[in-house]
Amino acid sequence: GENVEQHPSTLSVQEGDSAVIKCTYSDSASNYFPWYKQELGKGPQLIIDIRSNVGEKKDQRIAVTLNKTAKHFSLHITETQPEDSAVYFCAARGGADGLTFGKGTHLIIQP
Amino acid sequence: KAGVTQTPRYLIKTRGQQVTLSCSPISGHRSVSWYQQTPGQGLQFLFEYFSETQRNKGNFPGRFSGRQFSNSRSEMNVSTLELGDSALYLCASSNSGQGPYEQYFGPGTRLTVT
Repeated sequence: GENVEQHPSTLSVQEGDSAVIKCTYSDSASNYFPWYKQELGKGPQLIIDIRSNVGEKKDQRIAVTLNKTAKHFSLHITETQPEDSAVYFCAARGGADGLTFGKGTHLIIQP
Repeated sequence: KAGVTQTPRYLIKTRGQQVTLSCSPISGHRSVSWYQQTPGQGLQFLFEYFSETQRNKGNFPGRFSGRQFSNSRSEMNVSTLELGDSALYLCASSNSGQGPYEQYFGPGTRLTVT
């Protein structure tokens, strides 16, 4: 089955700086890669996703890149703000299988 | 549009008992997936339903089961509860029967087994 590795487990950045979270996947059949943000006491919130026919996608301060050859994808957050502090999860999915998640990154925005 | 709702939000059960959790998807969504979230194992896929049929199942024992009703609402059941079943159980809904597609999560049900 699919295996998703996510790094780093904790990331601390100064407010206004950029944050990058990286994930690798194992199943070359995976073709959908969402990113979720989870705040304390809440369910994961879909923030951006990318499909395997696209190399990059951007939504305001958030962008995701995908390298199918290397089987890795990354989340980029620019101009970080205090409200960006949360746990971020990457995931991968192929066909009708359920999402396989990474272990999560605790993003801390230092004022 | 209202989001995914899950009931109850919190539950405490005793080892050996059984439990039923409920999920109402976003209006118009026909697919419901269930996930278990624990500090040690992270988020793990349990099963997915579409049009009242289980379409896919994760690697969990048969004590975990589910079903979906004609109005797309879904329930999951865990029988003979074990201490290790303590977790946040998350439901996610989607508006497409053709994967892959966006899944939107509810707030979860926090199950504690004592």
